[in-house]
Amino acid sequence: GAVVSQHPSWVICKSGTSVKIECRSLDFQATTMFWYRQFPKQSLMLMATSNEGSKATYEQGVEKDKFLINHASLTLSTLTVTSAHPEDSSFYICSAQTGTRATGELFFGEGSRLTVL
Amino acid sequence: KQEVTQIPAALSVPEGENLVLNCSFTDSAIYNLQWFRQDPGKGLTSLLLIQSSQREQTSGRLNASLDKSSGRSTLYIAASQPGDSATYLCAPSKSSGDKLTFGTGTRLAVRP
Repeated sequence: GAVVSQHPSWVICKSGTSVKIECRSLDFQATTMFWYRQFPKQSLMLMATSNEGSKATYEQGVEKDKFLINHASLTLSTLTVTSAHPEDSSFYICSAQTGTRATGELFFGEGSRLTVL
Repeated sequence: KQEVTQIPAALSVPEGENLVLNCSFTDSAIYNLQWFRQDPGKGLTSLLLIQSSQREQTSGRLNASLDKSSGRSTLYIAASQPGDSATYLCAPSKSSGDKLTFGTGTRLAVRP
């Protein structure tokens, strides 16, 4: 199966700083990537859809100026949490799809745990 | 808007039992449905993918069925093992490679 890698797997930062999380498709080209957020003991909530070479599409209620998404290449999307605050502490997971797979299967990264002090 | 419900929310069973995890979704116009496993603090591992035209898919001790018209999918786990302990999530998709809508998950604990 296809492999999606996230980095870092965990990060601790001070309030007010910015944190960047990378999502890479290792063995396929991902025209579209999705960013999810998961609070403890809750399900995954879609934050935004990242399309290579164009602006991300954000879900309702997600601040695009706070969660900056860049999908500059077919194998890399980044999520930057700007001016992070403790309430941004969460588990962030990305997923990717390759347009060549007719099944439409999505592949997920290992997740990145952000803790804001 | 698609809404996904999973029942039961939590399940604790002794090793060896056969299990049934249920998933229901409100919008039956789906392209496919994926079942995932999530271990604590980890990402998602894809278990099974069922296309809307299919009735079931099998992988080892896992079997997933789909009744698209009634908005239901079921994951059967045969001869459960402690290593099966995890949260199981179902997620339908509206079109190929489209975003997934996740259920709340079933937290499974298999006791030795």
